[in-house]
Amino acid sequence: SQQGEEDPQALSIQEGENATMNCSYKTSINNLQWYRQNSGRGLVHLILIRSNEREKHSGRLRVTLDTSKKSSSLLITASRAADTASYFCATAIAGGTSYGKLTFGQGTILTVHP
Amino acid sequence: DAGVIQSPRHEVTEMGQEVTLRCKPISGHDYLFWYRQTMMRGLELLIYFNNNVPIDDSGMPEDRFSAKMPNASFSTLKIQPSEPRDSAVYFCASSNRDRVLPQYFGPGTRLLVL
Repeated sequence: SQQGEEDPQALSIQEGENATMNCSYKTSINNLQWYRQNSGRGLVHLILIRSNEREKHSGRLRVTLDTSKKSSSLLITASRAADTASYFCATAIAGGTSYGKLTFGQGTILTVHP
Repeated sequence: DAGVIQSPRHEVTEMGQEVTLRCKPISGHDYLFWYRQTMMRGLELLIYFNNNVPIDDSGMPEDRFSAKMPNASFSTLKIQPSEPRDSAVYFCASSNRDRVLPQYFGPGTRLLVL
Protein backbone atom coordinates (compact mmCIF):
# COMPACT_ATOMS: atom_id res chain seq x y z
CA SER A 1 0.00 0.00 0.00
CA GLN A 2 1.08 3.59 -0.50
CA GLN A 3 3.20 5.13 2.22
CA GLY A 4 1.73 8.53 1.48
CA GLU A 5 -1.89 9.16 0.62
CA GLU A 6 -3.19 12.57 -0.37
CA ASP A 7 -6.58 14.00 0.32
CA PRO A 8 -8.57 15.21 -1.52
CA GLN A 9 -7.90 13.48 -4.83
CA ALA A 10 -9.08 16.58 -6.67
CA LEU A 11 -9.64 20.19 -5.64
CA SER A 12 -11.21 22.97 -7.67
CA ILE A 13 -11.07 26.59 -6.47
CA GLN A 14 -11.23 30.16 -7.71
CA GLU A 15 -8.17 32.34 -8.15
CA GLY A 16 -7.34 34.15 -4.95
CA GLU A 17 -8.69 31.41 -2.68
CA ASN A 18 -6.51 29.22 -0.50
CA ALA A 19 -5.92 25.55 -1.30
CA THR A 20 -5.22 22.94 1.34
CA MET A 21 -4.03 19.43 0.60
CA ASN A 22 -3.40 16.71 3.14
CA CYS A 23 -1.07 13.74 3.24
CA SER A 24 -1.07 10.76 5.57
CA TYR A 25 1.65 8.17 5.93
CA LYS A 26 2.21 4.95 7.81
CA THR A 27 5.79 4.58 9.06
CA SER A 28 8.32 6.78 10.84
CA ILE A 29 9.94 9.27 8.53
CA ASN A 30 13.14 11.26 8.28
CA ASN A 31 11.52 14.00 6.24
CA LEU A 32 8.49 14.71 4.07
CA GLN A 33 8.60 16.56 0.80
CA TRP A 34 5.99 18.11 -1.48
CA TYR A 35 6.32 18.12 -5.26
CA ARG A 36 4.31 19.71 -8.06
CA GLN A 37 3.74 18.21 -11.49
CA ASN A 38 2.39 20.24 -14.35
CA SER A 39 0.64 18.31 -17.08
CA GLY A 40 3.13 16.42 -19.24
CA ARG A 41 6.13 17.46 -17.17
CA GLY A 42 8.42 16.00 -14.54
CA LEU A 43 7.97 16.60 -10.84
CA VAL A 44 9.37 19.74 -9.27
CA HIS A 45 10.35 19.95 -5.62
CA LEU A 46 8.46 22.58 -3.62
CA ILE A 47 9.36 22.23 0.02
CA LEU A 48 10.86 19.81 2.53
CA ILE A 49 10.04 19.47 6.21
CA ARG A 50 12.11 17.37 8.59
CA SER A 51 10.61 15.07 11.19
CA ASN A 52 11.66 17.41 14.03
CA GLU A 53 9.94 20.42 12.42
CA ARG A 54 6.28 21.30 12.77
CA GLU A 55 5.80 24.07 10.26
CA LYS A 56 7.66 25.55 7.34
CA HIS A 57 7.01 28.42 4.94
CA SER A 58 8.20 29.17 1.44
CA GLY A 59 6.59 32.12 -0.33
CA ARG A 60 2.87 31.34 -0.63
CA LEU A 61 3.40 27.78 0.61
CA ARG A 62 2.93 26.63 4.17
CA VAL A 63 3.58 23.06 5.23
CA THR A 64 2.75 21.51 8.56
CA LEU A 65 3.80 18.15 9.92
CA ASP A 66 2.20 16.22 12.77
CA THR A 67 4.31 13.13 13.43
CA SER A 68 1.94 11.92 16.16
CA LYS A 69 -0.85 11.71 13.60
CA LYS A 70 1.49 10.82 10.75
CA SER A 71 0.07 13.56 8.61
CA SER A 72 1.09 16.69 6.75
CA SER A 73 -0.73 19.50 5.02
CA LEU A 74 0.23 21.85 2.22
CA LEU A 75 -1.46 25.24 2.09
CA ILE A 76 -1.19 27.44 -0.97
CA THR A 77 -2.38 30.95 -0.21
CA ALA A 78 -3.83 33.42 -2.71
CA SER A 79 -3.88 30.80 -5.45
CA ARG A 80 -3.24 31.64 -9.08
CA ALA A 81 -4.26 29.93 -12.30
CA ALA A 82 -0.60 28.98 -12.74
CA ASP A 83 -0.85 26.85 -9.56
CA THR A 84 -3.02 24.40 -11.49
CA ALA A 85 -1.12 21.11 -11.28
CA SER A 86 -0.91 17.81 -9.43
CA TYR A 87 0.68 17.92 -5.99
CA PHE A 88 2.42 14.94 -4.42
CA CYS A 89 3.75 14.28 -0.98
CA ALA A 90 6.78 12.04 -0.66
CA THR A 91 8.25 10.49 2.45
CA ALA A 92 11.81 9.52 3.26
CA ILE A 93 11.60 6.63 5.69
CA ALA A 94 13.75 6.80 8.80
CA GLY A 95 16.59 4.31 9.18
CA GLY A 96 16.90 0.96 7.51
CA THR A 97 18.43 0.42 4.11
CA SER A 98 16.18 2.90 2.34
CA TYR A 99 18.62 5.80 2.52
CA GLY A 100 17.85 8.32 -0.18
CA LYS A 101 14.61 6.63 -1.23
CA LEU A 102 11.32 8.51 -1.45
CA THR A 103 7.85 7.00 -1.53
CA PHE A 104 5.25 9.10 -3.33
CA GLY A 105 1.53 9.35 -2.73
CA GLN A 106 -1.13 9.30 -5.44
CA GLY A 107 -1.37 13.08 -5.63
CA THR A 108 -4.00 15.80 -5.48
CA ILE A 109 -5.12 17.42 -8.72
CA LEU A 110 -5.57 21.14 -8.11
CA THR A 111 -7.48 23.29 -10.58
CA VAL A 112 -7.51 27.05 -10.07
CA HIS A 113 -10.08 28.88 -12.15
CA PRO A 114 -9.27 32.44 -13.27
CA ASP B 1 23.32 23.09 -15.18
CA ALA B 2 20.99 21.54 -17.75
CA GLY B 3 19.17 19.44 -15.20
CA VAL B 4 18.39 15.77 -15.62
CA ILE B 5 18.33 14.81 -19.28
CA GLN B 6 16.25 11.96 -20.63
CA SER B 7 16.00 10.52 -24.10
CA PRO B 8 14.00 9.84 -26.08
CA ARG B 9 11.11 12.05 -24.99
CA HIS B 10 8.60 9.90 -26.81
CA GLU B 11 8.83 6.30 -27.93
CA VAL B 12 6.29 4.27 -29.85
CA THR B 13 7.10 0.63 -30.42
CA GLU B 14 5.44 -2.66 -31.14
CA MET B 15 4.97 -5.44 -28.66
CA GLY B 16 8.01 -7.68 -28.46
CA GLN B 17 10.52 -5.02 -29.39
CA GLU B 18 13.38 -3.93 -27.16
CA VAL B 19 13.15 -0.46 -25.68
CA THR B 20 16.06 1.46 -24.17
CA LEU B 21 15.54 4.61 -22.16
CA ARG B 22 18.45 6.86 -21.29
CA CYS B 23 19.23 9.26 -18.49
CA LYS B 24 21.98 11.72 -17.68
CA PRO B 25 21.82 12.88 -14.04
CA ILE B 26 22.87 16.25 -12.74
CA SER B 27 26.63 16.47 -12.45
CA GLY B 28 27.79 15.74 -8.91
CA HIS B 29 24.68 13.82 -7.90
CA ASP B 30 25.41 10.33 -6.65
CA TYR B 31 21.86 8.97 -6.44
CA LEU B 32 19.86 8.07 -9.53
CA PHE B 33 16.27 6.88 -9.53
CA TRP B 34 14.01 5.37 -12.19
CA TYR B 35 10.25 5.80 -11.78
CA ARG B 36 7.23 4.76 -13.80
CA GLN B 37 4.01 6.74 -13.78
CA THR B 38 0.60 5.49 -14.90
CA MET B 39 -2.93 6.61 -14.16
CA MET B 40 -3.75 3.32 -12.48
CA ARG B 41 -0.68 2.86 -10.29
CA GLY B 42 0.61 6.40 -9.87
CA LEU B 43 4.33 7.02 -9.48
CA GLU B 44 6.29 3.86 -8.76
CA LEU B 45 9.97 3.59 -7.92
CA LEU B 46 11.54 0.92 -10.11
CA ILE B 47 15.18 0.99 -9.06
CA TYR B 48 17.74 3.33 -7.64
CA PHE B 49 21.52 3.58 -7.68
CA ASN B 50 24.07 5.09 -5.34
CA ASN B 51 27.54 5.72 -6.74
CA ASN B 52 26.58 3.66 -9.81
CA VAL B 53 25.65 0.62 -7.70
CA PRO B 54 22.04 -0.65 -7.66
CA ILE B 55 20.71 -0.32 -4.10
CA ASP B 56 17.08 -1.36 -4.37
CA ASP B 57 15.51 -2.98 -7.43
CA SER B 58 12.47 -4.35 -5.65
CA GLY B 59 10.20 -2.21 -7.80
CA MET B 60 11.35 -3.68 -11.09
CA PRO B 61 8.26 -5.44 -12.43
CA GLU B 62 9.87 -8.56 -13.81
CA ASP B 63 12.88 -9.94 -15.61
CA ARG B 64 11.96 -8.11 -18.78
CA PHE B 65 13.20 -4.92 -17.10
CA SER B 66 16.86 -4.21 -16.50
CA ALA B 67 18.79 -1.09 -15.55
CA LYS B 68 22.44 -0.21 -15.66
CA MET B 69 24.62 2.67 -14.62
CA PRO B 70 28.04 2.20 -16.22
CA ASN B 71 29.31 5.56 -14.96
CA ALA B 72 28.28 8.57 -12.90
CA SER B 73 26.83 10.43 -15.86
CA PHE B 74 24.74 7.82 -17.63
CA SER B 75 22.07 5.24 -16.93
CA THR B 76 19.80 3.07 -19.06
CA LEU B 77 16.52 1.31 -18.43
CA LYS B 78 15.85 -1.51 -20.85
CA ILE B 79 12.64 -3.42 -21.50
CA GLN B 80 12.98 -6.62 -23.49
CA PRO B 81 10.55 -7.78 -24.78
CA SER B 82 8.14 -4.88 -24.38
CA GLU B 83 4.43 -5.40 -23.75
CA PRO B 84 1.41 -3.05 -24.04
CA ARG B 85 1.11 -2.91 -20.25
CA ASP B 86 4.55 -1.28 -20.13
CA SER B 87 3.04 1.85 -21.67
CA ALA B 88 3.69 4.66 -19.19
CA VAL B 89 5.80 7.72 -18.56
CA TYR B 90 9.24 6.82 -17.26
CA PHE B 91 11.07 9.38 -15.16
CA CYS B 92 14.66 9.55 -14.12
CA ALA B 93 15.63 11.62 -11.07
CA SER B 94 18.87 12.36 -9.27
CA SER B 95 19.96 13.68 -5.89
CA ASN B 96 23.13 13.88 -3.86
CA ARG B 97 24.33 12.16 -0.70
CA ASP B 98 22.64 14.51 1.71
CA ARG B 99 19.34 12.83 2.45
CA VAL B 100 17.54 16.11 3.06
CA LEU B 101 18.08 17.40 -0.44
CA PRO B 102 15.28 16.87 -2.95
CA GLN B 103 15.22 14.72 -6.02
CA TYR B 104 15.46 16.49 -9.36
CA PHE B 105 13.33 14.95 -12.08
CA GLY B 106 13.89 14.76 -15.77
CA PRO B 107 11.11 15.55 -18.27
CA GLY B 108 10.25 11.88 -18.69
CA THR B 109 9.97 9.45 -21.59
CA ARG B 110 6.44 8.74 -22.75
CA LEU B 111 6.39 5.11 -23.91
CA LEU B 112 3.60 3.58 -25.94
CA VAL B 113 3.77 -0.12 -26.75
CA LEU B 114 1.30 -1.19 -29.41
